[in-house]
Amino acid sequence: GNSVTQMEGPVTLSEEAFLTINCTYTATGYPSLFWYVQYPGEGLQLLLKATKADDKGSNKGFEATYRKETTSFHLEKGSVQVSDSAVYFCARYGGATNKLIFGTGTLLAVQP
Amino acid sequence: NAGVTQTPKFQVLKTGQSMTLQCAQDMNHNSMYWYRQDPGMGLRLIYYSASEGTTDKGEVPNGYNVSRLNKREFSLRLESAAPSQTSVYFCASNRNAEAFFGQGTRLTVV
Repeated sequence: GNSVTQMEGPVTLSEEAFLTINCTYTATGYPSLFWYVQYPGEGLQLLLKATKADDKGSNKGFEATYRKETTSFHLEKGSVQVSDSAVYFCARYGGATNKLIFGTGTLLAVQP
Repeated sequence: NAGVTQTPKFQVLKTGQSMTLQCAQDMNHNSMYWYRQDPGMGLRLIYYSASEGTTDKGEVPNGYNVSRLNKREFSLRLESAAPSQTSVYFCASNRNAEAFFGQGTRLTVV
């Protein structure tokens, strides 16, 4: 099927720590891959995306590389801030379907 | 730009009542979606519409119906609400695979 699996949270880090949130997808077709962020009480916002293998999406210091060989799209940030505290969702679109499918979300809590 | 607008923001229903969640987008997008968000479950797709006049089931369609009234509007109807439908509902529209979300509707069924 078409699914996305991401690491469970919560992830608790101190400010300026390195962040990795893992995401893998089922290799059905050649989907576009996304990371969305949800701040408390709000809807989801697009953080970054990659549309083909080896593409790197980046925004606000976050990066993720589309790895076809490992079917992964891990989110990284070198130095997190308190303001990065939110829920992060990995998602896929396209391939064999035009559905937009999300992972279960990972809560990130950054402490000062 | 309003983007994606959902109404209402909050709703409490009694078991067995019906209601319609409204969604409208002003970005001329073809694709629209309804999701529900539950703790530990992420966002699950209820229904989607790839274009005006078409609708398809997502992962969890049971207990829901949808109408793509025109290109702008995509409504979600609960005919007979159940406590299991207590959730936060999000509408989204999609352009070039980038989704734009509404602010959500928090629905409680008692």
